[in-house]
Amino acid sequence: EVQLLESGGGLVQPGGSLRLSCAASGFTFRTYAMNWVRQAPGKGLEWVSVISIGGSTTYSADSVKGRFTISRDDSKNTLFLQMNNLRGDDTALYYCTKGDWLDSWGQGTLVTVSS
Amino acid sequence: DVVMTQSPLSLPVTLGQPASISCRSSQSPVHSDGNTYLNWFQQRPGQSPRRLIYKVSDRDSGVPDRFSGSGSGTDFTLKISRVEAEDIGVYYCMQASHWPPTFGQGTKVEIK
Repeated sequence: EVQLLESGGGLVQPGGSLRLSCAASGFTFRTYAMNWVRQAPGKGLEWVSVISIGGSTTYSADSVKGRFTISRDDSKNTLFLQMNNLRGDDTALYYCTKGDWLDSWGQGTLVTVSS
Repeated sequence: DVVMTQSPLSLPVTLGQPASISCRSSQSPVHSDGNTYLNWFQQRPGQSPRRLIYKVSDRDSGVPDRFSGSGSGTDFTLKISRVEAEDIGVYYCMQASHWPPTFGQGTKVEIK
């Protein structure tokens, strides 16, 4: 069974940083691209970032480009999202998702940006 | 970016009756490889999203056959043949053929 377990969320002040992690199990992690998708409170879904198999290629939404960095550690079956210079509109539940077409989702980790 | 427009945004339904959600894309979501990466997701209250349909009409494993996807060009539809109580939630379409991937606004399905 595929399991994706996000962690690292919390309350942070504007301009601060957080690093999210996603521990994957139940599938061969290194053979899948991985994505982060977020959902602001009471709002819809917004794709954030993707990393290719092997990690050589990454893309991010314009709204986070230059501030967020996606990475992976295939030896630990773990996906990361380094978030810097956080803003109020980054407040959201952040989901780790499997594959190019988001076939499995974690339970999410909540990031709250507020002073 | 490709804009995905869903309608209606709210869909009151009667249990046992059919339901239909429309998704229109601002440009054809046909990928250069010839596939159409148009997905549908279900998000039940308090839960994470779950993919139901991929590549327009392929059902994910474990998805009841009362769910079906169809469409071509820029118009796509998710149909529920007979709504059950567990189908209540928000449904999203998403295209992943053109960069960046984009979602529709979501359609809230609720009991009438």
